Amino acid sequence: RKEVEQDPGPFNVPEGATVAFNCTYSNSASQSFFWYRQDCRKEPKLLMSVYSSGNEDGRFTAQLNRASQYISLLIRDSKLSDSATYLCVVKASGTYKYIFGTGTRLKVLA
Amino acid sequence: DAGVTQSPTHLIKTRGQHVTLRCSPISGHKSVSWYQQVLGQGPQFIFQYYEKEERGRGNFPDRFSARQFPNYSSELNVNALLLGDSALYLCASSLFGGGDGYTFGSGTRLTVV
Repeated sequence: RKEVEQDPGPFNVPEGATVAFNCTYSNSASQSFFWYRQDCRKEPKLLMSVYSSGNEDGRFTAQLNRASQYISLLIRDSKLSDSATYLCVVKASGTYKYIFGTGTRLKVLA
Repeated sequence: DAGVTQSPTHLIKTRGQHVTLRCSPISGHKSVSWYQQVLGQGPQFIFQYYEKEERGRGNFPDRFSARQFPNYSSELNVNALLLGDSALYLCASSLFGGGDGYTFGSGTRLTVV
């Protein structure tokens, strides 16, 4: 089983739609969680950290479910500019490495 | 302020050759991490350095080595290049070790022929 698993997609959604991605992780000692966004042939950029209580940043909402070992990202009112690959990232307690999922590709269609 | 800078941006090497990739972190950041990203996959952890000391190493062969300098810049070296080493090599900068997220450089795209 992969340490971090994501549905690769692509998710094709119309502008204005709401879309959600899930990501599961296998190490229950995981401590820090993030969503990164990566545009084609560019570097990953931090979208948001994910906190136990859930957190929101504009149209983006991230949630963590420790019991089921998954994190989620919800994007409301999708824009064309949201088209990208969204990478789920997990850091285990006591380690220094980030473990990335393979990413979920989102295409927002006009 | 400059972000994370990596050089070169692109590189073509022949199998068996050696390559050195360079990274300068954000000013004030003391930690540099290296990741390899193969097309269609997420980045894979190679090394993390903090205050010139190696703090972690991923599942990469000994052909991969790195170091961090007193000014916190870093080099990644790869010996005896294989075709499978073709990838985007990303440098990530953080204050201490990434607990609050990394800032990535734009990467070095290495092609081994």
